Amino acid sequence: DQQVKQNSPSLSVQEGRISILNCDYTNSMFDYFLWYKKYPAEGPTFLISISSIKDKNEDGRFTVFLNKSAKHLSLHIVPSQPGDSAVYFCAASRGSTLGRLYFGRGTQLTVWP
Amino acid sequence: ETGVTQSPTHLIKTRGQQVTLRCSSQSGHNTVSWYQQALGQGPQFIFQYYREEENGRGNFPPRFSGLQFPNYSSELNVNALELDDSALYLCASSTATSGSSYEQYFGPGTRLTVT
Repeated sequence: DQQVKQNSPSLSVQEGRISILNCDYTNSMFDYFLWYKKYPAEGPTFLISISSIKDKNEDGRFTVFLNKSAKHLSLHIVPSQPGDSAVYFCAASRGSTLGRLYFGRGTQLTVWP
Repeated sequence: ETGVTQSPTHLIKTRGQQVTLRCSSQSGHNTVSWYQQALGQGPQFIFQYYREEENGRGNFPPRFSGLQFPNYSSELNVNALELDDSALYLCASSTATSGSSYEQYFGPGTRLTVT
């Protein structure tokens, strides 16, 4: 039972444009959400997170938006750079599970010059 | 600051054998979690250790077991290997405060192939 879903396996964006990666979840008990970036032959790298008490969190070029009523979050990357090309995983957690992360299947982002 | 390291990088085993994977946590982190990432899937939670005790377990059979040592390094043991155990095994460390450890920092993983 996939509680975190990333329905787009891939996304291709031109350098300088905005990349929008989407994520949906089914468990209303999730209260913390994270995005990880993964390059080949490396482990996932923490990118940005958001608590369920917020609807937006920004860190440089990266912004995460949370819509709790729709059980949807998105990661915006502006402007996109070729070095952003990687697999992006959405993850969620709930306080009672002591930090267990539930991951989506990932979206391969390709930023072309 | 030393990051999370895992060994070995790659491993090939035969069905029915046993395997031990190792992880060294990031400096200052007291919690370690293990995840299995099958091809084309996201990481799936196996279990977490906090202060040398299992602190939560995912939907994996008992032949998956672990240890955490006083220096917070950890082992994942898998007995009676099956073909479906072929995957990338990721270790993640974090610092638990009030029992939560949301932001986990991952190692590069061990690629296990079972033939």
